[in-house]
Amino acid sequence: GAVVSQHPSWVICKSGTSVKIECRSLDFQATTMFWYRQFPKQSLMLMATSNEGSKATYEQGVEKDKFLINHASLTLSTLTVTSAHPEDSSFYICSARGLVDTQYFGPGTRLTVL
Amino acid sequence: RKEVEQDPGPFNVPEGATVAFNCTYSNSASQSFFWYRQDCRKEPKLLMSVYSSGNEDGRFTAQLNRASQYISLLIRDSKLSDSATYLCAVNTGYSTLTFGKGTMLLVSP
Repeated sequence: GAVVSQHPSWVICKSGTSVKIECRSLDFQATTMFWYRQFPKQSLMLMATSNEGSKATYEQGVEKDKFLINHASLTLSTLTVTSAHPEDSSFYICSARGLVDTQYFGPGTRLTVL
Repeated sequence: RKEVEQDPGPFNVPEGATVAFNCTYSNSASQSFFWYRQDCRKEPKLLMSVYSSGNEDGRFTAQLNRASQYISLLIRDSKLSDSATYLCAVNTGYSTLTFGKGTMLLVSP
């Protein structure tokens, strides 16, 4: 199956710092990638849709200036959490769209903001 | 009504049991349906797509009922390793998936 990697797998940072998360499709090209956030015992919540070469589409309630998304190539999308605060602590998961509308998920990044 | 709803469970079943989950969706225009499995603190992994005619993959059977707007997942001969949270996902727009909160399954010896 399709492989998606994410880096880092976990990060602990101080409040006010920025954190960059990378999402890579390793064995296929993904024109569309998605960024999700999952709080404990909650569902995956779509944050934004990232299209290669164009601006990301953010879901309602997600601040585009706080969560910067860049999809510069067909195999890489990045999410930068700017000026992170404790309430941003969560499990961030990316996915890449494969054939037949299936989505393949990265292993996730666990962010803890102190 | 939430877009995609699932009974959170947990469903506690003994090994060898048959268990079924349902997932309802509100958007009648939804086109694609999926079941994902998520282990604790891990990413979701695609279990199977759900086709209109129903489909089976080993011990797993998925069905779609468009009239009543729900999909189902049946697991036969449950194994301990089946313990996980099962998420249904519905394509409600171009490539955009909406996930349910998941149903937790606990299979005991």
